Amino acid sequence: EDKVVQSPLSLVVHEGDTVTLNCSYEVTNFRSLLWYKQEKKAPTFLFMLTSSGIEKKSGRLSSILDKKELSSILNITATQTGDSAIYLCAVVRDDKIIFGKGTRLHILP
Amino acid sequence: SQTIHQWPATLVQPVGSPLSLECTVEGTSNPNLYWYRQAAGRGLQLLFYSVGIGQISSEVPQNLSASRPQDRQFILSSKKLLLSDSGFYLCAYSQGYNSPLHFGNGTRLTVT
Repeated sequence: EDKVVQSPLSLVVHEGDTVTLNCSYEVTNFRSLLWYKQEKKAPTFLFMLTSSGIEKKSGRLSSILDKKELSSILNITATQTGDSAIYLCAVVRDDKIIFGKGTRLHILP
Repeated sequence: SQTIHQWPATLVQPVGSPLSLECTVEGTSNPNLYWYRQAAGRGLQLLFYSVGIGQISSEVPQNLSASRPQDRQFILSSKKLLLSDSGFYLCAYSQGYNSPLHFGNGTRLTVT
């Protein structure tokens, strides 16, 4: 059975801290891995990872895929209160896209 | 440019009533279409996906059904809602496994 597991499920840190969110997967016919940020409504796209070991970066956020370990991490440096959100990881296998349960991140001012 | 429309934004329905949520995509052809449900503050559960007109794959046996009557239209339905159908329903599209998923604004359904 296909599985996407995110950890931790929730995290509370202080502004300025660095956080690392984890996503591991067990799927057949893996195509790519997606990261999303969700605040009040629909998730917004952050990164798409297809190749192992190549870091994707956008401002204070970065992500990398490890196909050997079947996992990915999302790093956020110098966190701000606006980073408070649910972070979702999803794995694309053929035409099916499976999400993990998400990590709820709360940044304290 | 590509856009996705989903309506209504909120809906309150009594138990046993029917449901129809509609989603349309503009600016692209032959998209893959998806319906997800999200419980309060948690991950997204895949309900249905479609790779073409009339082609529906169901992921979770339940009280819901989906249809794709046109290339860029995806409809989620129920004949009789249950309390457990309450949740946040999201429609999404992609252009295939090499492109990301794009979401509509979602419908918050409360069954009373």
